Amino acid sequence: DAGVIQSPRHEVTEMGQEVTLRCKPISGHNSLFWYRQTMMRGLELLIYFNNNVPIDDSGMPEDRFSAKMPNASFSTLKIQPSEPRDSAVYFCASSFARVSNTEAFFGQGTRLTVV
Amino acid sequence: QKEVEQNSGPLSVPEGAIASLNCTYSDRGSQSFFWYRQYSGKSPELIMFIYSNGDKEDGRFTAQLNKASQYVSLLIRDSQPSDSATYLCAVNILDWGGGADGLTFGKGTHLIIQP
Repeated sequence: DAGVIQSPRHEVTEMGQEVTLRCKPISGHNSLFWYRQTMMRGLELLIYFNNNVPIDDSGMPEDRFSAKMPNASFSTLKIQPSEPRDSAVYFCASSFARVSNTEAFFGQGTRLTVV
Repeated sequence: QKEVEQNSGPLSVPEGAIASLNCTYSDRGSQSFFWYRQYSGKSPELIMFIYSNGDKEDGRFTAQLNKASQYVSLLIRDSQPSDSATYLCAVNILDWGGGADGLTFGKGTHLIIQP
């Protein structure tokens, strides 16, 4: 398996523009997570899905952020409108949750810069 | 609210010595515990997970869990320069509906192995 695949790897956009980050989880995994990493705040959980259903979006910073998972093999994180403080590395991770084992596997991340 | 605390470091250890990394967590309901390693500019990768009190060994790595003290540690024996990285502690609670709660991460400890 190719692992969790994220695109794009790098994104530079102007303030006010819409940004869409994409993620393909590992085939067969039933949980998907979006994280944001900054030097100041570390890795923060934004939202996660179980079986394509959003479970907890309490980590989404503002209404400007939205996430979807239309099927088991694809998810998007959208920021509209983007702001400079959204600059960070965004990671997608997936796992196959079972009683004995719930480790998450991370994609390579999308480095977002909003200027 | 779940919190995971780690000393940010840097922790400097001579090559060949034992590196000891520590983590405390606030939520007594936490059930599973993970150590991830993250090289600069890369995504987190899983090193070990532990669910039960006591020690768990995997090669040069040993994870230790003490739920009464809400304490998790990672020992790295025979430290190598390639072990230099940031080590992230993470915890979660299983969703007994079959999914997985998102991992809550500490901010990580920066480990430097001195040749």
